[in-house]
Amino acid sequence: AQSVTQPDIHITVSEGASLELRCNYSYGATPYLFWYVQSPGQGLQLLLKYFSGDTLVQGIKGFEAEFKRSQSSFNLRKPSVHWSDAAEYFCAVGASNFGNEKLTFGTGTRLTIIP
Amino acid sequence: NAGVTQTPKFQVLKTGQSMTLQCAQDMNHEYMSWYRQDPGMGLRLIHYSVGAGITDQGEVPNGYNVSRSTTEDFPLRLLSAAPSQTSVYFCASSQGPWELFFGEGSRLTVL
Repeated sequence: AQSVTQPDIHITVSEGASLELRCNYSYGATPYLFWYVQSPGQGLQLLLKYFSGDTLVQGIKGFEAEFKRSQSSFNLRKPSVHWSDAAEYFCAVGASNFGNEKLTFGTGTRLTIIP
Repeated sequence: NAGVTQTPKFQVLKTGQSMTLQCAQDMNHEYMSWYRQDPGMGLRLIHYSVGAGITDQGEVPNGYNVSRSTTEDFPLRLLSAAPSQTSVYFCASSQGPWELFFGEGSRLTVL
């Protein structure tokens, strides 16, 4: 069975600084990988996805993520954060097994932005 | 441009009471699912549906029932609420299994 680990529960960065949120997955085959963002009091919104091909994927709101098979990682990055990026971020892995698709979420990383 | 609509947004129940969380989507998506979100545990899948008339269990189905009589609606029923069901519940829809559109959530407290 697949699993996702987000090792950082809470990260604080200054506005304008760069950001990297870590995500490690466990799955026997090439997974489908996702990052979702949850603003306070809201549901989750898809930021970006990786299915195959180029290992660096671009998403909405200036985010990008890089799939590294050798490290089983899919870290989320942004060159310069804005106060509006304060939210909780969830990494997710999708796996398909004989038509049974399953999406597994990590426990999330809460991002705080300081002026 | 409604997307996924959940009602109610807040609910307080007493142990043993029953209730239904409503979910409706207007995007003609085949897939719909219910998740619960608890601190430090991320989102866990309760039940899901791949189309009208088809439902299946997720990771934590006990204590919950679902049905899917139309493409648009996917209600979640708690038959006899327990304090362990205190949580925030999210409904999601998607055209396929991966790219989910979420509702704004329903916060349930069971006393």
